[in-house]
Amino acid sequence: DGGITQSPKYLFRKEGQNVTLSCEQNLNHDAMYWYRQDPGQGLRLIYYSQIVNDFQKGDIAEGYSVSREKKESFPLTVTSAQKNPTAFYLCASIPDGINEQFFGPGTRLTVL
Amino acid sequence: KQEVTQIPAALSVPEGENLVLNCSFTDSAIYNLQWFRQDPGKGLTSLLLIQSSQREQTSGRLNASLDKSSGRSTLYIAASQPGDSATYLCAVNDYKLSFGAGTTVTVRA
Repeated sequence: DGGITQSPKYLFRKEGQNVTLSCEQNLNHDAMYWYRQDPGQGLRLIYYSQIVNDFQKGDIAEGYSVSREKKESFPLTVTSAQKNPTAFYLCASIPDGINEQFFGPGTRLTVL
Repeated sequence: KQEVTQIPAALSVPEGENLVLNCSFTDSAIYNLQWFRQDPGKGLTSLLLIQSSQREQTSGRLNASLDKSSGRSTLYIAASQPGDSATYLCAVNDYKLSFGAGTTVTVRA
């Protein structure tokens, strides 16, 4: 089955810890995106990558880091510098920059 | 900066009624507009994609229109069913997606 997978589905983090969220796609899409969703708000762009070994900051990149070593993988690290990390995180991919975007099932991160 | 607004924030209708969901955006220089459905705690499911050169797009009971000049899109859902209950989000693509906050729809049986 082609699609986007995110793991884990639920993640709990203690204050001061870094955690990494996984995003994998087997759609052969070039571009991948990370969004954050808070209750009652639209999705906000954290980072995006249009090609392997290259990525750009989105609107709310502070406290996050990413890598794009393989076309199918785009992991997101939530660092201890992110002051309010509790949120729902969504990964997406797109064949090119102006086409239909497909989303994974999301990871809910809670800081204890 | 692109601003996307969805009104109303919530909507409750009896089964069988037609739904009209509105999306407005501030910058008309877009490539396309996409409508999504989101169920509680889940990811986004793409419903319709309208390219900037198109006026509307249809899929089954769903029809979406786009008026770039006025910065508006409307999603129509005909003959609503309880299974249509979800949050509907629109996203404008001007090389990155800007999302509205969504309209939460409840269809009462």
